[in-house]
Amino acid sequence: TQLLEQSPQFLSIQEGENLTVYCNSSSVFSSLQWYRQEPGEGPVLLVTVVTGGEVKKLKRLTFQFGDARKDSSLHITAAQPGDTGLYLCAGAGGGTSYGKLTFGQGTILTVHP
Amino acid sequence: NAGVTQTPKFQVLKTGQSMTLQCAQDMNHEYMSWYRQDPGMGLRLIHYSVGAGITDQGEVPNGYNVSRSTTEDFPLRLLSAAPSQTSVYFCASSYNRYGYTFGSGTRLTVV
Repeated sequence: TQLLEQSPQFLSIQEGENLTVYCNSSSVFSSLQWYRQEPGEGPVLLVTVVTGGEVKKLKRLTFQFGDARKDSSLHITAAQPGDTGLYLCAGAGGGTSYGKLTFGQGTILTVHP
Repeated sequence: NAGVTQTPKFQVLKTGQSMTLQCAQDMNHEYMSWYRQDPGMGLRLIHYSVGAGITDQGEVPNGYNVSRSTTEDFPLRLLSAAPSQTSVYFCASSYNRYGYTFGSGTRLTVV
């Protein structure tokens, strides 16, 4: 079973602060995906990282995939109240886990004005 | 282009009843999955499919059945509902596994 440990589970910060969310596993994934979910809606894809060591930027969000493709991080610079939401990492399996997408527990981010 | 459509949006069942949650996508995606989301548990994979006629179990398959007779549809059947199956259910689909599109969810309560 491929498990993803996401931390922290809760994050409450002031507008303008920086933050990092971590996603760790002992398993290797073919890709690592980050989603954001608003209350009452389904998750929405933010980014997919595929290559070990890959870094992707989406405005103030920076995503990194570990060299061994077992971990990932999401860094938000100068957080804004509009960034508030549930952030989820998910790993896509390979080999016998082909077709599986395993989620971490999620990080609930609250950005106060 | 409707994306992933889930019906119904809300459902209340009595213990022991059966029902089918519907999921349809119009993007010709091969990969489809069903998840349940409980507070503090993230999304847990119930069943998934890598193409029409091919399904497999996820982390929490007990009490649920699926079939994939067409590319577009991936229904989830609850055989005999239990209060432990009270949850929000999400269906998702993907073209190549490198990013999934999710439906808006079905909120199920079993009393």
